[in-house]
Amino acid sequence: QKEVEQNSGPLSVPEGAIASLNCTYSDRGSQSFFWYRQYSGKSPELIMFIYSNGDKEDGRFTAQLNKASQYVSLLIRDSQPSDSATYLCAAFTYNQGGKLIFGQGTELSVKP
Amino acid sequence: DAGITQSPRHKVTETGTPVTLRCHQTENHRYMYWYRQDPGHGLRLIHYSYGVKDTDKGEVSDGYSVSRSKTEDFLLTLESATSSQTSVYFCAIRTDSYEQYFGPGTRLTVT
Repeated sequence: QKEVEQNSGPLSVPEGAIASLNCTYSDRGSQSFFWYRQYSGKSPELIMFIYSNGDKEDGRFTAQLNKASQYVSLLIRDSQPSDSATYLCAAFTYNQGGKLIFGQGTELSVKP
Repeated sequence: DAGITQSPRHKVTETGTPVTLRCHQTENHRYMYWYRQDPGHGLRLIHYSYGVKDTDKGEVSDGYSVSRSKTEDFLLTLESATSSQTSVYFCAIRTDSYEQYFGPGTRLTVT
């Protein structure tokens, strides 16, 4: 079992809709969780992180964490074609110097 | 962009030759990381550093070595490049609040 799992997609949503990206993790020792956006041919860029159960909002993005279910999600409201990218979920653990374990990413396509 | 640069940005080399990739940061972060990214495997940690001369292995360290003689520079060396090391290599730094920021990447092709 992979430590951080994401559906590879592609996930296709119409412009203006809510995109929901999901991630599960296996290590209960993971302390915090990060969402990155990666455009084709570019490096990952940090969107937001969350470490407490519940929701965290930043502009059009909302991260949700449920530690009991070992589940993390990212909601993108009012999706735009410029949101089309691969979204990477990562779990942070203090083990071994503080590592980020990445999922393989979900490809999102927002159709005009 | 957290002040991270990588050089070279693109490199083509032959099997068996040594290759060194450089990561440079301008903000004196203690932790630095080298990842490789391949289709079907995602981002995988090669080596990381937690200070000058302090380094440790990641999950895919075989065939790679690193050095950190200054806070701002973290070097990744492929002692004898193989075709399986064709990949995109990303350097990252970690802030005091545990956020990781990535450099622009180096695309390495081993022929």
